[in-house]
Amino acid sequence: AQKVTQAQTEISVVEKEDVTLDCVYETRDTTYYLFWYKQPPSGELVFLIRRNSFDEQNEISGRYSWNFQKSTSSFNFTITASQVVDSAVYFCALSLPEMEYGNKLVFGAGTILRVKS
Amino acid sequence: NAGVTQTPKFRVLKTGQSMTLLCAQDMNHEYMYWYRQDPGMGLRLIHYSVGEGTTAKGEVPDGYNVSRLKKQNFLLGLESAAPSQTSVYFCASAQGSLGKGDEQFFGPGTRLTVL
Repeated sequence: AQKVTQAQTEISVVEKEDVTLDCVYETRDTTYYLFWYKQPPSGELVFLIRRNSFDEQNEISGRYSWNFQKSTSSFNFTITASQVVDSAVYFCALSLPEMEYGNKLVFGAGTILRVKS
Repeated sequence: NAGVTQTPKFRVLKTGQSMTLLCAQDMNHEYMYWYRQDPGMGLRLIHYSVGEGTTAKGEVPDGYNVSRLKKQNFLLGLESAAPSQTSVYFCASAQGSLGKGDEQFFGPGTRLTVL
């Protein structure tokens, strides 16, 4: 079965702390994509990053970084020096080959991040 | 360029009433999707479309119907609303297949309450 688990329901940090959001996925396929989306209090989902299953390079974008480890089926997201504007719900998602599974994303339940000033 | 828009933003229905949610995108995307978001459950796919005139079932299609008569519009219908359909509904679009890593663009959401 295809599944995405975000075990952390809610995380609270103080501004400037580093925080890591965990994402563990399950699939037997060798070809897949992983995504992170951000949902700020305004409600709209915003794309953050995509990673394909053949690219295990970590990625850094400003204060954001992502660690993809196939050995542990994890795609974790770290925010360095968190800011109040980072407060949001963060979703990890998995997509699979369309021919076998249809055109779908499997979302995790989301992690609520609260950054306090 | 408005991106993905949804109408209405809020709606309250009584059990048994019907309604249609409208999603429009101006990016000429082939793929469109309807999701529902419930607390602690992430987003779940209701129906999707891979092109004008096509529709397909997602994870939770029961109680909903969809139509894609025009490429830019994707309608979600509730024929007989039930309290279990109280949720936030998101529409999304993508140029290509999610299986090939294409990014989805989301609308602002519609908050539906069924009494």
